[in-house]
Amino acid sequence: ETGVTQSPTHLIKTRGQQVTLRCSSQSGHNTVSWYQQALGQGPQFIFQYYREEENGRGNFPPRFSGLQFPNYSSELNVNALELDDSALYLCASSLVGSGGDSPLHFGNGTRLTVT
Amino acid sequence: AQKITQTQPGMFVQEKEAVTLDCTYDTSDPSYGLFWYKQPSSGEMIFLIYQGSYDQQNATEGRYSLNFQKARKSANLVISASQLGDSAMYFCAMRGFSGSARQLTFGSGTQLTVLP
Repeated sequence: ETGVTQSPTHLIKTRGQQVTLRCSSQSGHNTVSWYQQALGQGPQFIFQYYREEENGRGNFPPRFSGLQFPNYSSELNVNALELDDSALYLCASSLVGSGGDSPLHFGNGTRLTVT
Repeated sequence: AQKITQTQPGMFVQEKEAVTLDCTYDTSDPSYGLFWYKQPSSGEMIFLIYQGSYDQQNATEGRYSLNFQKARKSANLVISASQLGDSAMYFCAMRGFSGSARQLTFGSGTQLTVLP
């Protein structure tokens, strides 16, 4: 089976710019979520998408937005970049409705540096 | 709200020995799941093991076992027969079942180094 893939792997942006990160879910998964991991910390939940709608959001401002497409791929958009947005952004997918509690499967992440 | 506490920023273990990584949690959800993930320097979060709050027995997956003590709200990871490839950051995480979102709350992690 195909795992979670993210692109690009690394990105450098300037403060105030906008960025789009992309994620392809693991085949058969219908839910995608995004996490931000600052250096030396655990990942922090940004938001989750199920059936192309956001159904959960962490403590992140509206300039963090996302999309989920019919093929369950996803985008994370960040507007008006700030220096503190520099982090590893992780995408994770899972299958909701499978019964039980399925673990999240993560991609390798996109490392964003804002200068 | 959920909270995960990992009090060991770094741990060292000799190759082939066992090691325990500590994790305590706090939640108001009556049902929840506990997870351990491994993060090598490459950045990918690798799922290791899962324990449901309703499970009567401790979870095991190969060399990994989870020492679940519900009354103490602890979910320690035990790695038996450590290997050099086990050197990585380890995160404990949990998810409550009360909401529709399946977000995980992570701890701050433990950096494990396996010595030859």
